Amino acid sequence: QQQVKQSPQSLIVQKGGISIINCAYENTAFDYFPWYQQFPGKGPALLIAIRPDVSEKKEGRFTISFNKSAKQFSLHIMDSQPGDSATYFCAASMEGAQKLVFGQGTRLTINP
Amino acid sequence: ETGVTQTPRHLVMGMTNKKSLKCEQHLGHNAMYWYKQSAKKPLELMFVYSLEERVENNSVPSRFSPECPNSSHLFLHLHTLQPEDSALYLCASSQDPIGSYEQYFGPGTRLTVT
Repeated sequence: QQQVKQSPQSLIVQKGGISIINCAYENTAFDYFPWYQQFPGKGPALLIAIRPDVSEKKEGRFTISFNKSAKQFSLHIMDSQPGDSATYFCAASMEGAQKLVFGQGTRLTINP
Repeated sequence: ETGVTQTPRHLVMGMTNKKSLKCEQHLGHNAMYWYKQSAKKPLELMFVYSLEERVENNSVPSRFSPECPNSSHLFLHLHTLQPEDSALYLCASSQDPIGSYEQYFGPGTRLTVT
């Protein structure tokens, strides 16, 4: 029940296309859903996050879509660029928890 | 230095060695974390420290021993490791351990156990 399932494991998108990464969770107590971006040789960095009181959050080319009834959330990268090539992790947490539960990660490659 | 720093960045050690990983956060945060990142696995939380007290130990083998002398520094002492312990070890910090979800990660230490 503490798991967050992420798919796909790897994704190849052409430059200018839309990259979509999906995550699903079971624990309805989760109330915070961040996405982290990790480049080779670096630690993960917070990219964008959403709370379940909204269905969508947009920051530049990055959008989180949240479906509370389906217990799913996804990251959309519009106009994908080669510089977006990285590993993306979704995560979840809840009020009072001391930790984030991470998905397995998606290695995204944007072909020029 | 800014953010979260980790040293060394790379470490190769034999199974009988003793070594330590160091993490320092320059963000004024109160909580620090150790994670293990292995290929094709989710990030595994190992330890959580809040105001220098260990608040979580995720069933980590005793060959990993954390130390938090103050809120800015975190160590991971390693001894008699196994080859399967080879991984990227990430340190992170957050403002508070509870209710503050944003965690800031260091670049990690790439550990190879031979």
